[in-house]
This record gives sequence, C-alpha cells and structure tokens, in this order.
Amino acid sequence: GQNIDQPTEMTATEGAIVQINCTYQTSGFNGLFWYQQHAGEAPTFLSYNVLDGLEEKGRFSSFLSRSKGYSYLLLKELQMKDSASYLCAVRDQRSNYQLIWGAGTKLIIKP
Amino acid sequence: DADVTQTPRNRITKTGKRIMLECSQTKGHDRMYWYRQDPGLGLRLIYYSFDVKDINKGEISDGYSVSRQAQAKFSLSLESAIPNQTALYFCATSEREVGRGRNLDTQYFGPGTRLTVL
Repeated sequence: GQNIDQPTEMTATEGAIVQINCTYQTSGFNGLFWYQQHAGEAPTFLSYNVLDGLEEKGRFSSFLSRSKGYSYLLLKELQMKDSASYLCAVRDQRSNYQLIWGAGTKLIIKP
Repeated sequence: DADVTQTPRNRITKTGKRIMLECSQTKGHDRMYWYRQDPGLGLRLIYYSFDVKDINKGEISDGYSVSRQAQAKFSLSLESAIPNQTALYFCATSEREVGRGRNLDTQYFGPGTRLTVL
C-alpha cells in the first residue's frame, strides 16, 4: 500500500534552521512535492523532486533519496511567517499519477 | 483577483440535505480536483477531471458526485449530507508541464469551503 509519514509537530527558533522529514512507501514513485499551508488557508506549492539530490530555492531546500524513500524540507533563517503546516505529497503511478498526501507537519516558530 | 475561487466559503447544513460546492478557475488549466481535509489526516482526493469529458473517482468518492460544466468550472455535490462529511473542502487545478525530464503538474488550490453537517 501507500504510506507517507511526517512528524506531527515541530518547534524552532526565529533565525534558526529546521529540517522536516518525510518518508514514503510506494512501488510507483513519480515525484515528491512539498506544500506550505497556513492555518485556515489553501496549500501553496514549495518544491518538487523527482531525481535524487537537493533542490534549492531561496531559504527553502528539498532533498530526495528514492532508494531510501526519504525526503526532507530544509528551512533556513526562519521567520515568524514560516509558522505553518508543511505537507509532503508523493505522486504514485499506481494511483493514476495522483498525489498521496501526508498529514502534514505543524511548524511553530518562537522568537 | 484569485485564480481559483470556491463558493460558498462556509456552509452549515443538516443531515439529509443536498449540497453543492462550486469551483471556478481563470488559470486556463485543463485538470481540476476536489479534496477534503480533516484534522490529523492528509488531503484525500474525492474526484478529479482531466478535461470536460473526463471524470475520475478518487480515493473517497462514495457519497459525492461531480459535474464539469466547462473547462473553468467543477462542482462537487453531496446528494444527502451526513455528519462525517463535515470537513474543509479544497478545489485545485493543474496543467501538465513536461520538460528537462520532469513532469511537474503542480496543483494550485482554491481558498477552501468549510462545511459543517449537523
């Protein structure tokens, strides 16, 4: 079956770095997405990985290891506005290439 | 103006009532989706449509139906609402982007409809 695991909640300090992990199990992997969702708002796209390695985009980076079924989202120079939930989603060939979503990691930033 | 809009934004209804949630987009995307989000669970796909003549069931389609009236409009109906359909509902759109060995198909979400069934 398909399974995506992320920590439920994490806390970090303003200005620091935080790494949010995501592990997945699927035999039809076709890409991994990270989305940000502020409370009560719509998810917004952050990053996409389909090959192994690191994708960097400003303060945010995302890493993928397909052999380990593992990804992480790295947030640098944390700002209070980064307080949000971060959703990991895997595209699965066996689900007609639709996204399978993790439950999300709620990130709390403290001053 | 928002690219993906949903109406209503909030709705309280009673068990057994028929409810329609509407989604419109100005992004010109062919693909549209309906998800529900519940606390502690990931987004779950209800239905999706790759074009006006193409409708597909998602992971949790029972109790729901959809209509793709035009490229820009995708409606979700609950024929007879029940309390466990209380959730936050999101519409999303996407356009397949292929290039440099990547198949992006990034989804863009509407603001959501909070539905409560009493």
